[in-house]
Amino acid sequence: QVQLVQSGAEVMQPGASVKVSCKASGYTFTSYAVYWVRQAPGQRLEWMGWINPGSGNTRYSQKFQGRISITGDPSASTAYMELTSLRSEDTAVYYCARLDYSYGSFDFWGQGTLVTVSS
Amino acid sequence: SYELTQPPSVSVSPGQTARVTCSGDGLPKQYAYWYQQVPGQAPVLVIYKDTERPSGIPARFSGFRSGSTVTLIISGVQAEDEADYYCQSVDSTSNDVIFGGGTKLTVL
Repeated sequence: QVQLVQSGAEVMQPGASVKVSCKASGYTFTSYAVYWVRQAPGQRLEWMGWINPGSGNTRYSQKFQGRISITGDPSASTAYMELTSLRSEDTAVYYCARLDYSYGSFDFWGQGTLVTVSS
Repeated sequence: SYELTQPPSVSVSPGQTARVTCSGDGLPKQYAYWYQQVPGQAPVLVIYKDTERPSGIPARFSGFRSGSTVTLIISGVQAEDEADYYCQSVDSTSNDVIFGGGTKLTVL
């Protein structure tokens, strides 16, 4: 069965960088785009960017341009999201999600990774 | 990107019909999608392409579109349907993914 398993919770200092992983199983990793979406406490879901693991192409939300990098390792069926220059407002749960092209939407999600930015 | 607007909350009694709306200027140009999120859990897709239901989602979930407003309809609401519901679409100009603010469904 399709699963996306993310790395564990992180506590980071302001100004640091965090890298969250998302390991896929149960399907061909290179056949589906992986998106990253975050949710700050009590806030709406917010799209951050995506990667096509087959081509390596990426696209980022303008809000995070310059601070975000999404990469993929097909040999490990794993996608990564790195966010730099962290600030308190980046405290959120970060999700990876698979885009199903036939649905045109996110059919499977990771369990979420809580990133807390605090001094 | 444009915004998707949802009511903050909807309350219904068990067995009644719940309607959650989502409106946005760009909606007529793109499909809408609905996700159910139980607090502390990842979202689950319940409606795609305005009106379609993924396999495994109960038939009491349906979607409706009229112009720039889409509606999630839950018929015969059950206690287990209590959750936050988010609409999602795509800005056809920027291709940015957009989410609504979420609606908390309370089953009285």
